[in-house]
Amino acid sequence: AQRVTQPEKLLSVFKGAPVELKCNYSYSGSPELFWYVQYSRQRLQLLLRHISRESIKGFTADLNKGETSFHLKKPFAQEEDSAMYYCALQNTGTASKLTFGTGTRLQVTL
Amino acid sequence: EAEVAQSPRYKITEKSQAVAFWCDPISGHATLYWYRQILGQGPELLVQFQDESVVDDSQLPKDRFSAERLKGVDSTLKIQPAELGDSAMYLCASSLVGAGGHNEQFFGPGTRLTVL
Repeated sequence: AQRVTQPEKLLSVFKGAPVELKCNYSYSGSPELFWYVQYSRQRLQLLLRHISRESIKGFTADLNKGETSFHLKKPFAQEEDSAMYYCALQNTGTASKLTFGTGTRLQVTL
Repeated sequence: EAEVAQSPRYKITEKSQAVAFWCDPISGHATLYWYRQILGQGPELLVQFQDESVVDDSQLPKDRFSAERLKGVDSTLKIQPAELGDSAMYLCASSLVGAGGHNEQFFGPGTRLTVL
C-alpha cells in the first residue's frame, strides 16, 4: 500500500527565512511524486513534480529514495507563499491513482 | 482558460436524504476523478473514470455511493442515504490521459457537503 506522511500540520516562518516542508512516502515500486498547493479561496493546483526537476516560484524538491523523502524547499519565504501544501504520490500501475498527505499549512509572517 | 466546473458549491442535507453532485471536466480530458476531503486531511480518491469506464472504485462505499459518466464527459456522484460522516468537501479533477500516464490533474472548486 502507498502512503504519504507530512508530519507538520502548521509551519510558521518569517518573511525571508528558508522554508522546508517535509514529506515522507511509502511505496513498493518506483514512485512519482508531486507537490500540490492551495492558496486561500483558490483551487488545488499542481506546484511541481519530481521528474521535471524544475523550480517553480522558487520552490524545489528532491526525491531521496534512500530516505523515502520528497521535501519541498525555498531559500527565502515570501508572504504570497502562505498556503496549504500537499505532497502526493502517484502509482505507476494502469490506474494513475494519487495518494495525498494530510497537508501542511505554511504561514509566512512579516 | 478552461477549468473544471462543479455544482453545487455548497449542499446542506439531513441524514438519510439523497444528494447528488455534478462535475464537468476540461474539454478533451479523458480521465475524471472524484475525491473526498475530510476536514484536516488530504483528498482521498473515491472513483476514477477513463472515458465512461470505471478504472478504480476501490475506496467508494458502494452501499451508499454511486458514480456515473454515461457519455464520457460530465459525471454525477450520488449518495443515498447520506450519513453524518459524509460531511466533507467533494472534489472533482480531470486529466488528459490517466492510465499508466503521467498527467497533471486539474481540480474543480469542490462541493462542500454538510449532513445534519
